[in-house]
Amino acid sequence: DGGITQSPKYLFRKEGQNVTLSCEQNLNHDAMYWYRQDPGQGLRLIYYSQIVNDFQKGDIAEGYSVSREKKESFPLTVTSAQKNPTAFYLCASSIDRQSNSPLHFGNGTRLTVT
Amino acid sequence: EDQVTQSPEALRLQEGESSSLNCSYTVSGLRGLFWYRQDPGKGPEFLFTLYSAGEEKEKERLKATLTKKESFLHITAPKPEDSATYLCAVQGVASNTGKLIFGQGTTLQVKP
Repeated sequence: DGGITQSPKYLFRKEGQNVTLSCEQNLNHDAMYWYRQDPGQGLRLIYYSQIVNDFQKGDIAEGYSVSREKKESFPLTVTSAQKNPTAFYLCASSIDRQSNSPLHFGNGTRLTVT
Repeated sequence: EDQVTQSPEALRLQEGESSSLNCSYTVSGLRGLFWYRQDPGKGPEFLFTLYSAGEEKEKERLKATLTKKESFLHITAPKPEDSATYLCAVQGVASNTGKLIFGQGTTLQVKP
């Protein structure tokens, strides 16, 4: 079955450590996105990528970095510069950025930093 | 600035008690309005896309409608398995990124 796989499901890190969240899709979608979800807030866009080797900052990119070396993969690194990293992180993809096709989401990674 | 507001924040219904969830939006030209369902600890699951005022879409007990300023998700005779958080999102014509603007969601609890 086609879909988006995020790993791990839960991640615990000490403050000051960088951590990388994995996102893989086998939907052959061009566009991929990272959103952050906090209680009582809507999903907020961190980074997006429209094509391999290209990515753009979203609304809350500070303290995060991404890469897009393969069409299928869009890992997110949460750096020590991110002030409030504890959150639920969601990866999504869509056929392409220009159509109004819906986003398809993975099942998220819950990151806890202490 | 594009904006989405959902109400109520939480809704409790008895099984079989129909109701509606509201999504009010401000966008400079609507390309699409999306409804998602999210279960605890899971990613959002796509339900509907609406493109223009007057459009309606149905799926089982759910029916989504759209006006120029808001969308409603009507739930008819809900069952406990309809309990979830329902998210609304919009995409504006000015967006060339596919980016969606999300509301905070409405958490629905259906009691047997």
